[in-house]
Amino acid sequence: GESVGLHLPTLSVQEGDNSIINCAYSNSASDYFIWYKQESGKGPQFIIDIRSNMDKRQGQRVTVLLNKTVKHLSLQIAATQPGDSAVYFCAENGVDSSYKLIFGSGTRLLVRP
Amino acid sequence: DSGVTQTPKHLITATGQRVTLRCSPRSGDLSVYWYQQSLDQGLQFLIQYYNGEERAKGNILERFSAQQFPDLHSELNLSSLELGDSALYFCASSIRQGNEQFFGPGTRLTVL
Repeated sequence: GESVGLHLPTLSVQEGDNSIINCAYSNSASDYFIWYKQESGKGPQFIIDIRSNMDKRQGQRVTVLLNKTVKHLSLQIAATQPGDSAVYFCAENGVDSSYKLIFGSGTRLLVRP
Repeated sequence: DSGVTQTPKHLITATGQRVTLRCSPRSGDLSVYWYQQSLDQGLQFLIQYYNGEERAKGNILERFSAQQFPDLHSELNLSSLELGDSALYFCASSIRQGNEQFFGPGTRLTVL
């Protein structure tokens, strides 16, 4: 079946350090990717997106890198803060006639004070 | 706050019952998506509407149905509920298809 980032690792980082969250996607024809942050009890919150014609995009304290050769996506968070603690999902926009998002299983980020 | 609203926030019901979940998209967004999030399945796409028309279906059960009304709000109807239907149900909206989707706070459904 379709899958994006099947693993659910936990990443523990020290406050102030940089965090890197990785994601593997399965469909080489995918052309749009999104990172979401989900805090406990809340809905996924859009962080940053990237289209397949780019390999890097920067936002405020976040950078997304796309490596189409190995079907890999990463989210870099600079100067990680306690408020960054959450589950992070990568998502892939389906390339069929729909525009559904295919989500990975997520990575839990824990920020140590 | 994403601008997407969902009601109710929590819903507790019994097996065999029917419930309706409601979603109001962000102002100006024409596309509405429904997702189910359970512990063992993660976030799964259910169905999409665009400007009142169904555009795509995911792994949505026949017991589930949805619609988008002229004012663009959407309802997800779940019937003949089973214990396994207990999950978080999220609605998302986007201004156009293929753009970033903004999620509501979700409805937590518990089937007893």
